[in-house]
Amino acid sequence: DTGVSQNPRHKITKRGQNVTFRCDPISEHNRLYWYRQTLGQGPEFLTYFQNEAQLEKSRLLSDRFSAERPKGSFSTLEIQRTEQGDSAMYLCASSLGRDYNEQFFGPGTRLTVL
Amino acid sequence: GENVEQHPSTLSVQEGDSAVIKCTYSDSASNYFPWYKQELGKGPQLIIDIRSNVGEKKDQRIAVTLNKTAKHFSLHITETQPEDSAVYFCAAKAPGGGADGLTFGKGTHLIIQP
Repeated sequence: DTGVSQNPRHKITKRGQNVTFRCDPISEHNRLYWYRQTLGQGPEFLTYFQNEAQLEKSRLLSDRFSAERPKGSFSTLEIQRTEQGDSAMYLCASSLGRDYNEQFFGPGTRLTVL
Repeated sequence: GENVEQHPSTLSVQEGDSAVIKCTYSDSASNYFPWYKQELGKGPQLIIDIRSNVGEKKDQRIAVTLNKTAKHFSLHITETQPEDSAVYFCAAKAPGGGADGLTFGKGTHLIIQP
């Protein structure tokens, strides 16, 4: 399968714990995006990378959220000190690059904070 | 920032009939308008998109129209089939820089009645 992959698919955690999600983009894509989707809503843009550079992070929901893409390939999204309001689907998407608009999404990681 | 409104929130049509979903956007600089289909438990799947230099685009049973003056765009599905049942999202994106994330509507739950 050459699509975007995300792991884990489901994560259940207790409030206050830290969680980390991984995204592997389509191999030739150099742009990678993170979105959050809550029930009954469309995805909400959080941040994106061009290769290893994080070009937009002002949309991250709080300073508890951080993302990395250390070698310009896979990316991780970390949420520290999770809260019940963080429960959502976290989606990753990738695109070829600056002049290519099409974003292809992975299956998402469903986070439940108890 | 960009704001995308989508209507209706739920649409029920008889199998074989046509379905139309409408979206409006607020940022006149937006120039890329994709549509995504999301099935339960899956990530959004890109089904068609249109750029602002084009008024209409068609791909088999699916078509999208764009009215830049009125800032609205629509998805048309003809000869609907049971497998068309899903949630459909419209989105908009302005060119370049920190606006590289997509802004999504809230989605339309399309139900195809047999």
